[in-house]
Amino acid sequence: LAKTTQPISMDSYEGQEVNITCSHNNIATNDYITWYQQFPSQGPRFIIQGYKTKVTNEVASLFIPADRKSSTLSLPRVSLSDTAVYYCLVGDRGMDSSYKLIFGSGTRLLVRP
Amino acid sequence: DTGVSQNPRHKITKRGQNVTFRCDPISEHNRLYWYRQTLGQGPEFLTYFQNEAQLEKSRLLSDRFSAERPKGSFSTLEIQRTEQGDSAMYLCASSLDFRAQYFGPGTRLTVL
Repeated sequence: LAKTTQPISMDSYEGQEVNITCSHNNIATNDYITWYQQFPSQGPRFIIQGYKTKVTNEVASLFIPADRKSSTLSLPRVSLSDTAVYYCLVGDRGMDSSYKLIFGSGTRLLVRP
Repeated sequence: DTGVSQNPRHKITKRGQNVTFRCDPISEHNRLYWYRQTLGQGPEFLTYFQNEAQLEKSRLLSDRFSAERPKGSFSTLEIQRTEQGDSAMYLCASSLDFRAQYFGPGTRLTVL
């Protein structure tokens, strides 16, 4: 079973900031939080990964509170091309783990003009 | 392009036939994963290689499925005696140790 819970869908408009929150109440000490984006008929694309506090890269920010039971992916100033499914995953990076990713159903983001 | 590549991109076959898919990972990545994705669902883990060793297989991987990664480079996934329920997108991903996994474009299988 997926270890995360996220909204099924979200709507936004071009130029707005979008925040997608993911719940992972049973996150383990070794788990990292990773977000992927997927367009129809394509493989998932890595967006960002973090363990605690805040991580920022050129496309997104990831906010993780101290208890790590949730995380928020922030997409600044979305465009129509950001319409996609977004997956939040947690995975064990322990030395004996394959670190297989367990995907849920994701959040379908629709960006309107 | 130095990303993960998969071939073929599309495969249509008749029930009962065997099919083989190929995945070429990012060259320096030592880990390779296979996932399967059906319409409207997230990808499901199938199997994982570290270098040439197959270290984990999902219970989804029935005995009709076999995967190899000779010499720790490219990998093949073979499905024998295909069934209509095997129709799905087959995704390959690679990573360097525990770092982020990078996915290929997938192979879409249709079993008639």
